[in-house]
Amino acid sequence: GAVVSQHPSRVICKSGTSVKIECRSLDFQATTMFWYRQFPKQSLMLMATSNEGSKATYEQGVEKDKFLINHASLTLSTLTVTSAHPEDSSFYICSARTGGHVGPLHFGNGTRLTVT
Amino acid sequence: DQQVKQNSPSLSVQEGRISILNCDYTNSMFDYFLWYKKYPAEGPTFLISISSIKDKNEDGRFTVFLNKSAKHLSLHIVPSQPGDSAVYFCAASRETSGSRLTFGEGTQLTVNP
Repeated sequence: GAVVSQHPSRVICKSGTSVKIECRSLDFQATTMFWYRQFPKQSLMLMATSNEGSKATYEQGVEKDKFLINHASLTLSTLTVTSAHPEDSSFYICSARTGGHVGPLHFGNGTRLTVT
Repeated sequence: DQQVKQNSPSLSVQEGRISILNCDYTNSMFDYFLWYKKYPAEGPTFLISISSIKDKNEDGRFTVFLNKSAKHLSLHIVPSQPGDSAVYFCAASRETSGSRLTFGEGTQLTVNP
């Protein structure tokens, strides 16, 4: 069964509005969660690493003020896309490891964001 | 700089035959490799992994081969089933960097009945 739950699975919003995406680890604690983005027919690109109790670490080229990450508890990380624009339309996926620092990442089912 | 490359965007095989998906990498610091399967509108699902200390890892119908000198890995699926039709991503990481995975572009596998 799924070990990482992501919500919502699909969202449509208007330009200029903000959208919050939730990522929850099920039955395990995740001090670190990872947010990826996938554009059509492209690879998954790591956006940021979400750290419980501290600031997220953003990859080069990712605007931290646009993609706000909050890791408020050991089982929940949120990604807020602020002042969304059509170019932010993408598939956003979170992930976490169940086995601490080793082992494979487990991914949520992703959120399809469409900005009109 | 694409450090992990899957040069075949698509592959089509007949049910029951072997599917071979290939992946090349350029960063010699990578020491942990994974294959994920992804259906449309879903997140990737972990399939199989291999550490650089091995050259082969097998799990049921799935076998991953690693050739470090060639910086190449492959995923073999045998026998292939129609339900295997999906996009397959290879990914690589440095164990010491924790969970930073670098993904390839993916290969769409279609298994025909």
